[in-house]
Amino acid sequence: QVRLVESGGGLVKPGGSLRLSCEASGFTFSEHYMSWVRQAPGKGLEWVSYISSSSRYINYADSVKGRFTISRDNAKNSLYLQIHSLRAEDTAVYYCARAVFGVTTSYYFDYWGQGTLVTVSS
Amino acid sequence: DIQMTQSPSSLSASVGDRVTITCRASQSISSYLNWYQQKPGTAPKLLIYAASSLQSGVPSRFSGSGSGTDFTLTISSLQPEDFATYYCQHSYSTLFTFGPGTKVDIK
Repeated sequence: QVRLVESGGGLVKPGGSLRLSCEASGFTFSEHYMSWVRQAPGKGLEWVSYISSSSRYINYADSVKGRFTISRDNAKNSLYLQIHSLRAEDTAVYYCARAVFGVTTSYYFDYWGQGTLVTVSS
Repeated sequence: DIQMTQSPSSLSASVGDRVTITCRASQSISSYLNWYQQKPGTAPKLLIYAASSLQSGVPSRFSGSGSGTDFTLTISSLQPEDFATYYCQHSYSTLFTFGPGTKVDIK
């Protein structure tokens, strides 16, 4: 079955850096776009970034552009999010999600991991 | 960028009620609209994609409709396990904005 497992979250000081990982199993990872979505405590969902299957296409939300870098290693079935210059407002649970694309359906996120919590505090 | 709004932001309903949640996009997004359900402490779950297609395994009491800028998610007969927060999300561009959510709780 499809499984996505995030790791790498933790407590970090403002201005610090962190690398989140998402290990995928149960499907052909190299055939799927992937995305990161975050959720601040008590708040709604915020899409963060996506990466195409070959890493050719990447996009970021304006709120993280220039500070976050998404990448993937298809040989390791893994997705990453490198986060720099962390701010208090980056405190959130970070989810990785598998994207499905269809010509008539566009993209949707059909499987999600359990999330990893990033807390930015001094 | 495309902005998404939802109404209401919260509602109280009883088991068996018909519930309708509305999502509006700031510009036309064709039918590129998805709905997710999230229960406290858990990851979101895909319910509906492309405005009206039911994700595999999702009960048929959930349905979606709309195109352009206005969309609805309907739960035909609310069940105890449906009390949750519901989010819409567009995929018209690769800036996949979510709506602010609608919390459905027990009356």
